[in-house]
Order: sequence, then C-alpha cells, then structure tokens
Amino acid sequence: KNEVEQSPQNLTAQEGEFITINCSYSVGISALHWLQQHPGGGIVSLFMLSSGKKKHGRLIATINIQEKHSSLHITASHPRDSAVYICAVPLSSGSARQLTFGSGTQLTVLP
Amino acid sequence: GAGVSQSPSNKVTEKGKDVELRCDPISGHTALYWYRQSLGQGLEFLIYFQGNSAPDKSGLPSDRFSAERTGGSVSTLTIQRTQQEDSAVYLCASSIGTGRYEQYFGPGTRLTVT
Repeated sequence: KNEVEQSPQNLTAQEGEFITINCSYSVGISALHWLQQHPGGGIVSLFMLSSGKKKHGRLIATINIQEKHSSLHITASHPRDSAVYICAVPLSSGSARQLTFGSGTQLTVLP
Repeated sequence: GAGVSQSPSNKVTEKGKDVELRCDPISGHTALYWYRQSLGQGLEFLIYFQGNSAPDKSGLPSDRFSAERTGGSVSTLTIQRTQQEDSAVYLCASSIGTGRYEQYFGPGTRLTVT
C-alpha cells in the first residue's frame, strides 16, 4: 500500500464545475502539502495545512488529521486550472522532513 | 523577493558524461531538498540539507549521485557517468526549517541523457 494515495488519477470537467481531488495517507503527519504542476514541469505550492481548512481564491483545501484524509476543491473551474495536482506529506527520517508524494491527479478543464 | 532558482533549465548530455545541476534557495532558508521526477513517474526524494548538519542522502539512487551545499546556501547536484535512466526533471526546494514549514519549489532542470 502506497503511503500517499490520490484519487482520481484523471479528471475531466467542464468549465464552471466544482472539482474535488482526494488524498489519503497511512502515517501520522504534521502537515500536508498540495502542489500544482503545469505541463512545463514547474511545481507551485498551493497549500500547506495541518488542520481544518484553507482558502486561496477559488481553491479550498481541507484536512482531517484523525481520518488521515485531505481534499482539494476548485470552485468555478477554468481551463487554466488544467494541471497535475499532487498531495505530499513529510515523513520523518531522523531529523529530515522530506516529502513523500502522491501519484498526482491530472485535471483537464474543458471550455 | 526572489524564489528558488535552478540552472540550467534544460540540459542534454551524452551517456557517460558528468553533469552538475545548481540550486539557489530562498535567502535565509536553512533547509534544502532535491527531488526527481522521471518520465511517467511520480516525484521522489533524493537528498536533504539542514543547516550545518550532515545531509540526509537516503534517497540517492546510486553512488554516481552526490550533492553539496556550500556556505549553507547554493547547492550542486552532481551526476557522474550519466545513464539514460537518469533522464528526469530535477527539482530543488527550500524551506525556513523542517516539519511544519512550507517547501518552495524551483522551476526544475530537465535532464536528457542521450
């Protein structure tokens, strides 16, 4: 079992739709990251959260530490939201906090 | 302020050659990470630096890979005797500290070994 699992792997939506991407993890963590990767390969950090909910514009991220689950929501989706969305958790290794990544969700928003 | 920068953005090299990839973290960030994303694969951790502590090299795939961080700032990832399977996007990230601190990613270096 992967330590970080995302669903769905692929998601196609029409412009304006509400989108949800899910992430489950199997170990206790201090925080979870949501990342966005555009076709050029660059990665942008969207959120880091350790409890509750965070909102940036049309993006909302929630986390339930007890259930080891997080969701990323996109309201009023737009074609420019098309990207790969990746959740990542820091796993301890001695004093290190390197991230372990989910396999990503490829989102395509059609006009 | 400036974000994390990496150079070169693209590198094509012949099998067997050595390559050096550079990362300039955000000023003041004590933690620096290297990750790799091979074609069709997810991201994987390579190496981690925190301040003056010994680096965590647990993710390096072979002894052909090494990295150093000079003066607690710039880091160089070196791949010796490159192989085709080394072709990937190499990403660097930095953070103020470890644990609950957000990691900021650079744009990556796309390495192609022919």
